[in-house]
Amino acid sequence: QQQVRQSSQSLTVWEGETAILNCSYENSAFDYFPWYQQFPGEGPALLIAIRSVSDKKEDGRFTIFFNKREKNLSLHIKDSQPGDSATYFCAAEVNSGTYQRFGTGTKLQVVP
Amino acid sequence: GALVYQYPRRTICKSGTSMRMECQAVGFQATSVAWYRQSPQKTFELIALSTVNSAIKYEQNFTQEKFPISHPNLSFSSMTVLNAYLEDRGLYLCGARVLGQANTEVFFGKGTRLTVV
Repeated sequence: QQQVRQSSQSLTVWEGETAILNCSYENSAFDYFPWYQQFPGEGPALLIAIRSVSDKKEDGRFTIFFNKREKNLSLHIKDSQPGDSATYFCAAEVNSGTYQRFGTGTKLQVVP
Repeated sequence: GALVYQYPRRTICKSGTSMRMECQAVGFQATSVAWYRQSPQKTFELIALSTVNSAIKYEQNFTQEKFPISHPNLSFSSMTVLNAYLEDRGLYLCGARVLGQANTEVFFGKGTRLTVV
């Protein structure tokens, strides 16, 4: 049972565009949602995260929009760069001290 | 900074044999270690969560008899894949964190890629 879903397996955008990656979840008890960026041959690295008490979290070019009622969230990457080409994983957890459940990932390609 | 090292990075084992992989936390105390498997068709499957001084919790479809884990201190954890078969192929990731604070970051290693022949 996939508790965290990412609707797109892959996404291609032009350099300078805003890439939007979507994520949805089933468990309403999830209250922390990190996004990870993974390059080939590397482990996933935390990019940005949001708690369920917020509806928006911004960090530079990266913004998370969160909709608790709809149980979905999205990662927006403004002014996409070729160096942003990677696989992005949405994850969710219930409180600290538990494990994180991962989505299936969206492979982003930014074309120059 | 906080880093997690995993070794070996790649390993090949014959079907039916076992292999051990290790996870080392540097720069922080890894109170909690989660082992995941990432396979081509699936996302990260959680294998088990290990917290120092607590019992290791295995996810459904994963057992201690198949994936025994050791977490003897706050900087080291190891997991063995016993009797490996083709379906055990994949990238095994170790994610470590410090407990006791809300929503702390999980630091991942680069993984151990297991090939079974």
